[in-house]
Amino acid sequence: QQQVKQSPQSLIVQKGGISIINCAYENTAFDYFPWYQQFPGKGPALLIAIRPDVSEKKEGRFTISFNKSAKQFSLHIMDSQPGDSATYFCAASKGGGGSNYKLTFGKGTLLTVNP
Amino acid sequence: KAGVTQTPRYLIKTRGQQVTLSCSPISGHRSVSWYQQTPGQGLQFLFEYFSETQRNKGNFPGRFSGRQFSNSRSEMNVSTLELGDSALYLCASSFIGTNYGYTFGSGTRLTVV
Repeated sequence: QQQVKQSPQSLIVQKGGISIINCAYENTAFDYFPWYQQFPGKGPALLIAIRPDVSEKKEGRFTISFNKSAKQFSLHIMDSQPGDSATYFCAASKGGGGSNYKLTFGKGTLLTVNP
Repeated sequence: KAGVTQTPRYLIKTRGQQVTLSCSPISGHRSVSWYQQTPGQGLQFLFEYFSETQRNKGNFPGRFSGRQFSNSRSEMNVSTLELGDSALYLCASSFIGTNYGYTFGSGTRLTVV
């Protein structure tokens, strides 16, 4: 059962363009939605994260848009640069107490930004 | 500030053998989680430890086990290795014991032949 569905699998964008990656989740108990960036040979690095009480969060060129009713969230990379070329993962988790200290990841999107 | 350190970086083992991977979390971090990353299944949660106690376990067979020491360092062990265990094994640590703000290590690349 894939609880977080991510699309597209791969994305090619020209330098300066906007990259958009989408994720959908099923479990309404999820309350923390991070995005991770992974370069070859490295572990994932936290890029930006959002809680369901806000609809948008922006950090520099990176923006998360969150639609609670549709159970969807997306990552927008403005002014995409070749250095942004990496694999991006969305994730979700149930926060707080209890035993659910785990992230459920999407399958990843390989982003290529052409110069 | 040192990051999450995983050793070894690369490992080649024969089917049927066992393997132990090590993870040193960021100083002060008490929560350590392990994930398996493969091209087909992506990133999958193995288990999480906090103050030497396993708090959560993913959907993996009992051949996969782990432990955490009093200094928060963690090890994971895979016994009776199968070809399908070939993967990148990632460790992540967190300060306050939740998965908010996880920092991942660079992983151990395990190849089973």
